[in-house]
Amino acid sequence: NAGVTQTPKFRVLKTGQSMTLLCAQDMNHEYMYWYRQDPGMGLRLIHYSVGEGTTAKGEVPDGYNVSRLKKQNFLLGLESAAPSQTSVYFCASSFTMEREQFFGPGTRLTVL
Amino acid sequence: GENVEQHPSTLSVQEGDSAVIKCTYSDSASNYFPWYKQELGKGPQLIIDIRSNVGEKKDQRIAVTLNKTAKHFSLHITETQPEDSAVYFCAAKEDSWGKLQFGAGTQVVVTP
Repeated sequence: NAGVTQTPKFRVLKTGQSMTLLCAQDMNHEYMYWYRQDPGMGLRLIHYSVGEGTTAKGEVPDGYNVSRLKKQNFLLGLESAAPSQTSVYFCASSFTMEREQFFGPGTRLTVL
Repeated sequence: GENVEQHPSTLSVQEGDSAVIKCTYSDSASNYFPWYKQELGKGPQLIIDIRSNVGEKKDQRIAVTLNKTAKHFSLHITETQPEDSAVYFCAAKEDSWGKLQFGAGTQVVVTP
């Protein structure tokens, strides 16, 4: 089992560019989450999904979109990147809302 | 919504000593309190969790205590070792549907 994987590991964007971060899990988990991690602020939930075809907003959803077309994949999109979106992005998954969340290794994104 | 405060932000301990990290939460409905360890360049990993029907839980050198009346919970690491050096995050949520709210993190450095 690979667990939760994220692609890419690093990316540098210019302001206004777009990109998609891919998260994949092979644990047959229903729930998937996207967080961003900034110094001194812990992890903040961007969007989450409770199953294939469903998505919902988290704490800081503005500027991001997500899609869950397949159960094992959760995509995070930035349509027009801004310097404020410079962060480390983590994907996580869990079997249910009550169970442990498993995190991926993260994507370090810099927006110039 | 839930608000979790974590202290201290940095903690330096001598190898073999104990380390204590404290968190407070605001939502009395929260009843699940996990602790995550994040090593450099990796995603967070669950190390221990506690639910509100117990006051203390131990796993080898790690223990968590919960005081629901005061709305605070703590992580205790005994006999610290260099491999305990990492960032530790506390979190809280209402079990059935709530989303995890993370503290800001504590950088623990264990010096030989």
